[in-house]
Amino acid sequence: DTGVSQNPRHKITKRGQNVTFRCDPISEHNRLYWYRQTLGQGPEFLTYFQNEAQLEKSRLLSDRFSAERPKGSFSTLEIQRTEQGDSAMYLCASTTGAETQYFGPGTRLLVL
Amino acid sequence: SQQGEEDPQALSIQEGENATMNCSYKTSINNLQWYRQNSGRGLVHLILIRSNEREKHSGRLRVTLDTSKKSSSLLITASRAADTASYFCATASNDYKLSFGAGTTVTVRA
Repeated sequence: DTGVSQNPRHKITKRGQNVTFRCDPISEHNRLYWYRQTLGQGPEFLTYFQNEAQLEKSRLLSDRFSAERPKGSFSTLEIQRTEQGDSAMYLCASTTGAETQYFGPGTRLLVL
Repeated sequence: SQQGEEDPQALSIQEGENATMNCSYKTSINNLQWYRQNSGRGLVHLILIRSNEREKHSGRLRVTLDTSKKSSSLLITASRAADTASYFCATASNDYKLSFGAGTTVTVRA
């Protein structure tokens, strides 16, 4: 257990529905990252926050995706109008700005 | 896009043997990290090597970095069944955003 928690751990939804995932980082970590991992691949960067500011978004993050980190604490990742191609593991990681990132257990999304 | 590429894609070894996997990357880096992922779970950080370092050890792990060849290797000595996992290299640029390879799946046979 790295100290980063993610909820839910699994989510099954129907195409077209909206889903929201939550990440609770290690409390003193000011940087929070979201990654997506599809089967047989390594994680791919989606976006990151320093405190409450979203500093970068990947081109992978279409308009249907939005992430927030109110008050620089927990973060949420919402996917609107889900598509089957959104099925993946969504990973959250936090760090103090030092180099090592601490990953949560991930949320596995299946879109039917 | 993924910067790192691991080689081999899969590796099967006998318990007690050493496992070596390689990682190549394309652009300049601040550091390179290796992570382990057990099936369907989150990633666990193993070791970090900075761009000005050439070799690093942690327990049964040995990592080398050759920035001139843009490559790194991870050696696991005296492997155990518990080492069965996928191993990923990840490169970090100035903003510490990580770029991962596709990973090497290691199976340690009892």
